[in-house]
Amino acid sequence: GAVVSQHPSRVICKSGTSVKIECRSLDFQATTMFWYRQFPKQSLMLMATSNEGSKATYEQGVEKDKFLINHASLTLSTLTVTSAHPEDSSFYICSARDRDPYEQYFGPGTRLTVT
Amino acid sequence: RKEVEQDPGPFNVPEGATVAFNCTYSNSASQSFFWYRQDCRKEPKLLMSVYSSGNEDGRFTAQLNRASQYISLLIRDSKLSDSATYLCVVIIKRNYGQNFVFGPGTRLSVLP
Repeated sequence: GAVVSQHPSRVICKSGTSVKIECRSLDFQATTMFWYRQFPKQSLMLMATSNEGSKATYEQGVEKDKFLINHASLTLSTLTVTSAHPEDSSFYICSARDRDPYEQYFGPGTRLTVT
Repeated sequence: RKEVEQDPGPFNVPEGATVAFNCTYSNSASQSFFWYRQDCRKEPKLLMSVYSSGNEDGRFTAQLNRASQYISLLIRDSKLSDSATYLCVVIIKRNYGQNFVFGPGTRLSVLP
């Protein structure tokens, strides 16, 4: 099956700094990538949808100036958490799909801890 | 009301037991349905799609009732390796595309 990678898998940063997370589709071209966040014992919540070469669509309640998404190529999307706070500590998971809208391939996730 | 709701769990069952999970969705325009499995601190992995006619994959059986907006997953002869959180997923069409909406998940622990 299709493979999606994320980097880093785990990051610890200090409050006020910015963190960039990369999501790559390794063996297919991802026309659309999704970013999810999962707090402990809760389900995945979609943060934003990004299409290659265009601005991301953010879900209600997600600050687009705080969570910067760039989808500059068909195999790479990045999420930058700016001015991170402890409440941003979470498990961030990306997924990607090609043309089939009914299939998403998930990355292994990035665990962010803000101290 | 949440778009996708599930039994809160956790379900603690002995090996060999049969266990059933329920899921309801509120958007009647929902198009496709899936069960995903998520192990602790890992990404979700597709377990099976859910079809209107019901479908089976080994020990797993999924059912969909569109009239009641209800989905179920039945696991027979539970194994220790079935311990995980099971996520009900519904695809909902938005203005900007089709989104996966995840239920909160039901945690299953299969005990020896």
